[in-house]
Amino acid sequence: GESVGLHLPTLSVQEGDNSIINCAYSNSASDYFIWYKQESGKGPQFIIDIRSNMDKRQGQRVTVLLNKTVKHLSLQIAATQPGDSAVYFCAGRNRDDKIIFGKGTRLHILP
Amino acid sequence: ETGVTQTPRHLVMGMTNKKSLKCEQHLGHNAMYWYKQSAKKPLELMFVYNFKEQTENNSVPSRFSPECPNSSHLFLHLHTLQPEDSALYLCASSQELAGGPGGDTQYFGPGTRLTVL
Repeated sequence: GESVGLHLPTLSVQEGDNSIINCAYSNSASDYFIWYKQESGKGPQFIIDIRSNMDKRQGQRVTVLLNKTVKHLSLQIAATQPGDSAVYFCAGRNRDDKIIFGKGTRLHILP
Repeated sequence: ETGVTQTPRHLVMGMTNKKSLKCEQHLGHNAMYWYKQSAKKPLELMFVYNFKEQTENNSVPSRFSPECPNSSHLFLHLHTLQPEDSALYLCASSQELAGGPGGDTQYFGPGTRLTVL
């Protein structure tokens, strides 16, 4: 079946460095992708989205890159801060207009 | 009160108990969702409601019974649950269903941490 998944279950990054969280998807018909952040004790919160007619989108300290050729997207967080510590999910919309979520990568910030 | 709220935040129940989870959204959205979040698994969509009508039931066991009295409120009634039902239950809402205007971004509540003994 189709899937949206993250490459690593955990990622440790030094405070101040940039973080890159990667995600792969299987359905080439997926045309919309979302990144969510879930802090401990909270529900997932929307961070940024991107449509398939774009290959890059920037927000505040975050950038999402989409490579449709290899069906891969990434979330880049600039100058990682302690408050960025969370689980990050990618999600994609499939051809049936369903949102499929990945498992999540836990981002640890090292002092 | 803003966004999506859920009560209770934590619930411990025995297998013979009956309890209900409540979700309320203050965003004026038309679609609401129940998800189950277990450790090391992707979010599992359980039910979808649109304008109070159930549009999706992802083969959820009948011991989970949803209720949507209006577009702002969603309940999940629980009875005779099993220990493997222990998880974080998340409610979400969106303006419309996925694919519609504003339908692709879901706003989540904080979840109810359920433990079944």
